[in-house]
Amino acid sequence: EPEVTQTPSHQVTQMGQEVILRCVPISNHLYFYWYRQILGQKVEFLVSFYNNEISEKSEIFDDQFSVERPDGSNFTLKIRSTKLEDSAMYFCASTVRGGDTEAFFGQGTRLTVV
Amino acid sequence: DAKTTQPPSMDCAEGRAANLPCNHSTISGNEYVYWYRQIHSQGPQYIIHGLKNNETNEMASLIITEDRKSSTLILPHATLRDTAVYYCIVSSTGTASKLTFGTGTRLQVTL
Repeated sequence: EPEVTQTPSHQVTQMGQEVILRCVPISNHLYFYWYRQILGQKVEFLVSFYNNEISEKSEIFDDQFSVERPDGSNFTLKIRSTKLEDSAMYFCASTVRGGDTEAFFGQGTRLTVV
Repeated sequence: DAKTTQPPSMDCAEGRAANLPCNHSTISGNEYVYWYRQIHSQGPQYIIHGLKNNETNEMASLIITEDRKSSTLILPHATLRDTAVYYCIVSSTGTASKLTFGTGTRLQVTL
């Protein structure tokens, strides 16, 4: 069964450092997403990406965040200068199209900012 | 997107049907009802979705009331592996399938 792959599974970083979270979406999917879940809280939408540009972003996705699809397979989330409150599970997801369709989620990257 | 209301928790005996309700009284005509679940802290897993007709797949059945203001997810024979948080999400069609997760229903399947 196709799956979304995220690396690393766990990343520890010092406050103020840049981090890049990586995702390999399902190969024929065209829409890509990042979500995050702070421990014990809801899963929150961060950003959606289609045709090499951001389709929609939430209030959380401020100037410290950026996304990129540097090649045909990877989809990355960069946090420029991490804060303690960025500690969370970050989930990548992909869909074959927009609209009514099934989203496939990766297993997540646990980011710990110390 | 319309807001959903779910009970915070439910229990179900293994082998029995689990019926998880969801209210979405402000749903609009172009909004679909989606169900996802999250086991521990794993990535959410798609279960099923529908617009107005009842739907069934290998995992579950989705029953949507005629007025579309509520729905029920049915797991026909719950197992211990179905213990998870179940999210009912209403989402409109659009350019991208953004999902707005609530707090969901924590289903505990017991022996």
